[in-house]
Amino acid sequence: GESVGLHLPTLSVQEGDNSIINCAYSNSASDYFIWYKQESGKGPQFIIDIRSNMDKRQGQRVTVLLNKTVKHLSLQIAATQPGDSAVYFCAEKAAGNKLTFGGGTRVLVKP
Amino acid sequence: DAGVIQSPRHEVTEMGQEVTLRCKPISGHDYLFWYRQTMMRGLELLIYFNNNVPIDDSGMPEDRFSAKMPNASFSTLKIQPSEPRDSAVYFCASSPTGLYGYTFGSGTRLTVV
Repeated sequence: GESVGLHLPTLSVQEGDNSIINCAYSNSASDYFIWYKQESGKGPQFIIDIRSNMDKRQGQRVTVLLNKTVKHLSLQIAATQPGDSAVYFCAEKAAGNKLTFGGGTRVLVKP
Repeated sequence: DAGVIQSPRHEVTEMGQEVTLRCKPISGHDYLFWYRQTMMRGLELLIYFNNNVPIDDSGMPEDRFSAKMPNASFSTLKIQPSEPRDSAVYFCASSPTGLYGYTFGSGTRLTVV
């Protein structure tokens, strides 16, 4: 079963191209951010995280950029593959252990 | 490692009935979270536990919702009586630290008719 609705922003990208997914967060006190990937019928899966004392972090084929001045987070996926098709969420943590999730972006990879 | 295990995967029930959703966290994870996902509101935290104790239930929509964690390996989310607006996908997640290493289960899709 699908986990998200019909009105998500959608990013269509050609296989092999790079993808950039953006997220605006709301709380200037947030000190930890995570990107999740959610495939149809599955729970969110951790991709990469970043703390507020950093502005860039790289993983395997993914890079997260944090701009605290404008409260903006982005996820870059290099050489996008069909398996990258999913909904991507950013999440922020402020006080305690509560994560607040963004609305999500659907990525469609065209062969 | 089997991950976070939720049951049932799908539940269809009639309005007014009691519904119980179940979650088995990853062994050794001290934190357990219940989330609800809908088209309109996205992913919302309902409640979370630390060492079986409820820490924050401010996201629980109303008194019809209750959650328990009788031991470190089991939690339930109960809705009584259920209403059509409760239809959603309910996720359980666990974490060793509460902050890092969140792992989500596959969710329970609840439909209340």
